[in-house]
Amino acid sequence: SQQGEEDPQALSIQEGENATMNCSYKTSINNLQWYRQNSGRGLVHLILIRSNEREKHSGRLRVTLDTSKKSSSLLITASRAADTASYFCATGSDSGGYNKLIFGAGTRLAVHP
Amino acid sequence: KAGVTQTPRYLIKTRGQQVTLSCSPISGHRSVSWYQQTPGQGLQFLFEYFSETQRNKGNFPGRFSGRQFSNSRSEMNVSTLELGDSALYLCASSLWDDNEQFFGPGTRLTVL
Repeated sequence: SQQGEEDPQALSIQEGENATMNCSYKTSINNLQWYRQNSGRGLVHLILIRSNEREKHSGRLRVTLDTSKKSSSLLITASRAADTASYFCATGSDSGGYNKLIFGAGTRLAVHP
Repeated sequence: KAGVTQTPRYLIKTRGQQVTLSCSPISGHRSVSWYQQTPGQGLQFLFEYFSETQRNKGNFPGRFSGRQFSNSRSEMNVSTLELGDSALYLCASSLWDDNEQFFGPGTRLTVL
């Protein structure tokens, strides 16, 4: 079963605009990760944020984590056509889950030139 | 370093057959996890192996099994294939627990 919801399910924007995707989860976590997937291919790791962190940056990516609300957001700034992909959040449990990740349903992002 | 590799990339089988998928992790990574991705159920955790031991198993029937070898390479096996087993099967490796996972390109299995 999936951990939670991602919102929106689909997002369509123009190049240069910012894209924000949200993720909610249900259980206590050790970390939350964001991945990108192009057209049913393998997943590419974007960023990992631990439960004691509130915000993390990597290039044009900014991730926030609110453990009290059990939610996270991914912001992609100045989007490019190459950012077109599906984005997934995944949570790692804090109860000995080792490397078991629970994925959300994903957000399909389309960036138009 | 070479990334995670999975073989074969595509596979077509018929109902009732069995299939074995292979995954080679990044050199030095001892944790290997398997996931199933379908349009209806999304990405679901199958199992994870570390140093040849299964540490975690997802909610899948016993037809799904796996193993890991001493060189960390892993295989998963699905017996008595059903139409619903058609999916993209992804393998991921990780250096440490609770850390980023590196995914392979996946094996797309079609069951006819």
